[in-house]
Amino acid sequence: EPEVTQTPSHQVTQMGQEVILRCVPISNHLYFYWYRQILGQKVEFLVSFYNNEISEKSEIFDDQFSVERPDGSNFTLKIRSTKLEDSAMYFCASRVLGGWNTEAFFGQGTRLTVV
Amino acid sequence: AQSVTQLGSHVSVSEGALVLLRCNYSSSVPPYLFWYVQYPNQGLQLLLKYTSAATLVKGINGFEAEFKKSETSFHLTKPSAHMSDAAEYFCAVSDPNTGGFKTIFGAGTRLFVKA
Repeated sequence: EPEVTQTPSHQVTQMGQEVILRCVPISNHLYFYWYRQILGQKVEFLVSFYNNEISEKSEIFDDQFSVERPDGSNFTLKIRSTKLEDSAMYFCASRVLGGWNTEAFFGQGTRLTVV
Repeated sequence: AQSVTQLGSHVSVSEGALVLLRCNYSSSVPPYLFWYVQYPNQGLQLLLKYTSAATLVKGINGFEAEFKKSETSFHLTKPSAHMSDAAEYFCAVSDPNTGGFKTIFGAGTRLFVKA
């Protein structure tokens, strides 16, 4: 069964460092997303990406964040200068073209710990 | 705007008892609704989805949910709880109002199953 793959599963970084979280969406999917879940809290939308551009972003997704689909298979989330409050589980998701009545498929997540 | 509200951040049942997790939605259009499950230290797995084909939706692991428009509800049930059902459950709605069709999550309900 096709699945969304995220690497690494766990990343520890020092405050102020740049991190790149990587995702391989399901191959025929065309919408891509990043969400985050701070420990014990709800899953929050960060950004959606379609046709090589951002479709929507939340207020969390400030200038420190960027996304890229560098090679047609990977989908990355970059945090330029990490802060302690960026510590969270980050989920990548993808969805097939078909609109809002289709479900998003989620990866296993990357746990980011900023120290 | 689309939103979901989950009533009860924690629910505890005995093994073999009925599971009922409550979700109410708010939507400006006919909603597309989902239940996801998150097992400890894992990603988000789709349990079931409502996309207007039938009001009673059956999902994996014996779960089902009923869409009730008059009550704006989409409660999740399982007739007999199993220890392996202990997890966090998220009700979610798809947002049709933006090009990215993001998924909006409720705050989650943690299910505890007692032996």
